Amino acid sequence: EPEVTQTPSHQVTQMGQEVILRCVPISNHLYFYWYRQILGQKVEFLVSFYNNEISEKSEIFDDQFSVERPDGSNFTLKIRSTKLEDSAMYFCASSRGLAGGTDTQYFGPGTRLTVL
Amino acid sequence: AQSVTQLGSHVSVSEGALVLLRCNYSSSVPPYLFWYVQYPNQGLQLLLKYTSAATLVKGINGFEAEFKKSETSFHLTKPSAHMSDAAEYFCAVSYSGSQGNLIFGKGTKLSVKP
Repeated sequence: EPEVTQTPSHQVTQMGQEVILRCVPISNHLYFYWYRQILGQKVEFLVSFYNNEISEKSEIFDDQFSVERPDGSNFTLKIRSTKLEDSAMYFCASSRGLAGGTDTQYFGPGTRLTVL
Repeated sequence: AQSVTQLGSHVSVSEGALVLLRCNYSSSVPPYLFWYVQYPNQGLQLLLKYTSAATLVKGINGFEAEFKKSETSFHLTKPSAHMSDAAEYFCAVSYSGSQGNLIFGKGTKLSVKP
C-alpha cells in the first residue's frame, strides 16, 4: 500500500540554524500538507499546497517557514533561523484532492525536530 | 471558528470491554469529522470519517462513530477492546469550503489491560 514517507525521523539543530524537512507524498496525490505537534499539545495545521502554490496557511506559518516541491516527488518544509519553540513533531500529509474538506489525508510518520 | 474537544487524555479499559472515546466539536458551518489513530512511531491513520451521509459511520478494526448534531458530538466506540487497540486516537474536523486543513483535538491515549 502506498504511504507517505518523511526524512529524517529525528533532526537536532542549533537555534538560529536553517532546517529542511523532507516528505515524499503518495505519487498520484495532488494536495500536500504540513502539520506540527508540540509535545503535549494538539496537532496543528501549518500549510496546504496545491498546483505548486500555497492554497491555505495558518497563523503559525509566518515568514520563517516556506514550502517547496522541488521535483516531481519531494515536498519540503524549510524553517529559517530556528527557535527553541520550533521543537515539535512535524507531520507531512497528502490527499487525492477530491471535493473540499472531505478528502482523506494520508500522514507520514513524522520528523521530530529538536532545537537546542 | 472550528474547534475540537476530546474528553480524557487517557482512557484505560480491560480487554473485551467497551471502548468509548469522546469528541465534541464546535463549528459555525456543517462539519466533516474524522477519527485518526496513531500507533507508536507511526503516522496518523484514518479510522473513519463523517461527510454528511449516514450519521453512523463504520470504520476499520471494528470501530464506529455516530454524528449527533444536537449534541455536537462524534464519539468513537468499539464493542470489545483488543490489546492491539492500544494507541493514541485523534478526533479532527474540517468543513465545506476549506482546502481540507484539519483541526485536531488533543488526542486520547487508549490503554488496554489484559
